[in-house]
Amino acid sequence: RKEVEQDPGPFNVPEGATVAFNCTYSNSASQSFFWYRQDCRKEPKLLMSVYSSGNEDGRFTAQLNRASQYISLLIRDSKLSDSATYLCVVNIAGYSTLTFGKGTMLLVSP
Amino acid sequence: DTAVSQTPKYLVTQMGNDKSIKCEQNLGHDTMYWYKQDSKKFLKIMFSYNNKELIINETVPNRFSPKSPDKAHLNLHINSLELGDSAVYFCASSQDQGTGETQYFGPGTRLLVL
Repeated sequence: RKEVEQDPGPFNVPEGATVAFNCTYSNSASQSFFWYRQDCRKEPKLLMSVYSSGNEDGRFTAQLNRASQYISLLIRDSKLSDSATYLCVVNIAGYSTLTFGKGTMLLVSP
Repeated sequence: DTAVSQTPKYLVTQMGNDKSIKCEQNLGHDTMYWYKQDSKKFLKIMFSYNNKELIINETVPNRFSPKSPDKAHLNLHINSLELGDSAVYFCASSQDQGTGETQYFGPGTRLLVL
């Protein structure tokens, strides 16, 4: 079983749509959770951390369900500039490295 | 003013050659990393250094040897390059090696082995 699993997509949505990505992780000792964004031929960049209580940053909302070992990212009012690959990332307690999912590709069209 | 920089950006070389990739961060971070992103876009940790000390060495062939002359630099030397080494190599850094630390990535080095 892969450590971090995501639907690779692509998700094709029109501008203004709401889109949600899901991610599951296998290690229950995972302690920290993040969404990173990677544009085509660019480096990954932190989009937002994911907190147990859920958190929102503008049009982006992240949720964590520890019982189901599940993380989600909701994007409202999609913009063309949101087109990218969204990487689900977890950090396992006691390890200093991050474990990346393979990413979900989002394509927002006019 | 780039926070994490890598050189070269592109590297095309023949099988069997030895090459190095350099990484520098000006963020004052204590921890640096090398990741490999293969053609399937899977990003995998290779090495982690904290204050010039090797912390993590994942299952990487010993043809890959990282070197950290100081905590702002982490270079990657690759001996006897193989076709399967073709990938994008990302350097990253974080303030510390704590579990909640944000990692900042360099722009990547695209290595093509012919």
